[in-house]
Amino acid sequence: QQQVKQSPQSLIVQKGGIPIINCAYENTAFDYFPWYQQFPGKGPALLIAIRPDVSEKKEGRFTISFNKSAKQFSLHIMDSQPGDSATYFCAASHGGATNKLIFGTGTLLAVQP
Amino acid sequence: DAGITQSPRHKVTETGTPVTLRCHQTENHRYMYWYRQDPGHGLRLIHYSYGVKDTDKGEVSDGYSVSRSKTEDFLLTLESATSSQTSVYFCAISAGQNNEQFFGPGTRLTVL
Repeated sequence: QQQVKQSPQSLIVQKGGIPIINCAYENTAFDYFPWYQQFPGKGPALLIAIRPDVSEKKEGRFTISFNKSAKQFSLHIMDSQPGDSATYFCAASHGGATNKLIFGTGTLLAVQP
Repeated sequence: DAGITQSPRHKVTETGTPVTLRCHQTENHRYMYWYRQDPGHGLRLIHYSYGVKDTDKGEVSDGYSVSRSKTEDFLLTLESATSSQTSVYFCAISAGQNNEQFFGPGTRLTVL
């Protein structure tokens, strides 16, 4: 079963646009929600993460919006650049020391110059 | 890469042969994980370790075994490889205030 649903599967935006990637989860016990960025041939790199006690978190051009009641969270990339072209994964976990992550299926983002 | 190396980086093998992938870390992290990445599935947890000789199953553990005899090394073994185990395998460690996971560079395994 897929506990974290991610959309869209792929996304094309123009440079300077604001791509938005959405994720929805089912398990209300999840309390840690990271986003990873992956370039071809590389391992996923942690981008930004949020816990459900806040509704928004910003780090540089990357923002997570979190809606606890809807069980949804999203990644916004402000002023997107061609260098942001990558695959993005959302994930969720119960947190704690073990922190076993459940990943979404990924979104391939292309930012055109 | 949080001091994580994986070996080999690429491997081609035949169905039925045993395969061992190695994950090595240099920063003495307690928690280590093995994931596989497949198109349309994201990353899925195979096994994880919470200390030397302490391991547990993840979401897709069938056909895989692991061992951790030293803090720095976490081995993933496919006892008898099958074509369905063709994938990219990532090792990760857990570190930081929020137990964030950091991933190694991956091993691309092809089972013919």
